[in-house]
Amino acid sequence: DGGITQSPKYLFRKEGQNVTLSCEQNLNHDAMYWYRQDPGQGLRLIYYSQIVNDFQKGDIAEGYSVSREKKESFPLTVTSAQKNPTAFYLCASSIRNGQGWWNQPQHFGDGTRLSIL
Amino acid sequence: QQQVKQSPQSLIVQKGGIPIINCAYENTAFDYFPWYQQFPGKGPALLIAIRPDVSEKKEGRFTISFNKSAKQFSLHIMDSQPGDSATYFCAANNAGNNRKLIWGLGTSLAVNP
Repeated sequence: DGGITQSPKYLFRKEGQNVTLSCEQNLNHDAMYWYRQDPGQGLRLIYYSQIVNDFQKGDIAEGYSVSREKKESFPLTVTSAQKNPTAFYLCASSIRNGQGWWNQPQHFGDGTRLSIL
Repeated sequence: QQQVKQSPQSLIVQKGGIPIINCAYENTAFDYFPWYQQFPGKGPALLIAIRPDVSEKKEGRFTISFNKSAKQFSLHIMDSQPGDSATYFCAANNAGNNRKLIWGLGTSLAVNP
């Protein structure tokens, strides 16, 4: 089945520690996204990538980093600079075509819940 | 001007009722308005979407109504079922340079049996 796999489902971070959240897709999508979801805050965009080896900051990129070395993978690192990392993190992907990739549906994984120890 | 304001924050209806969720926007350059459905512990999934040249779109029991002059759009769920209990998000496409989806804050819907 095609889809997006996020791992792990639950993750705990110690003070001063960097952690990396995995996102893999087999939908052959060019565009990938990372969102943070907090209760009552909706979805906030952290980073997005339109093609391999290219990515842009979203609305709340501070304290996060990403890489896009392969089309299928878009890992997110939550660095120690992110002072309030406890949240539900969602990865998504979408088709990118010449007509306007931003109007294509975004397909989401089932998220990673990150907590502070 | 980049916000999408969604209401109500939460909604409770009886089975068979017609919950209505409303969204309003300011940016007249928005050109794509999707609704996503999210169940607890899962990622959102696209439910239905509309473009501003259409005033209404139906997919099964779900209908989007779009009022371009008022800059508002709404989701109606006909004959609601307990399985429709979820959080619903409206969104709008930013047709500016960034091409990002702008999300509403979500509506938690509970359909009682």
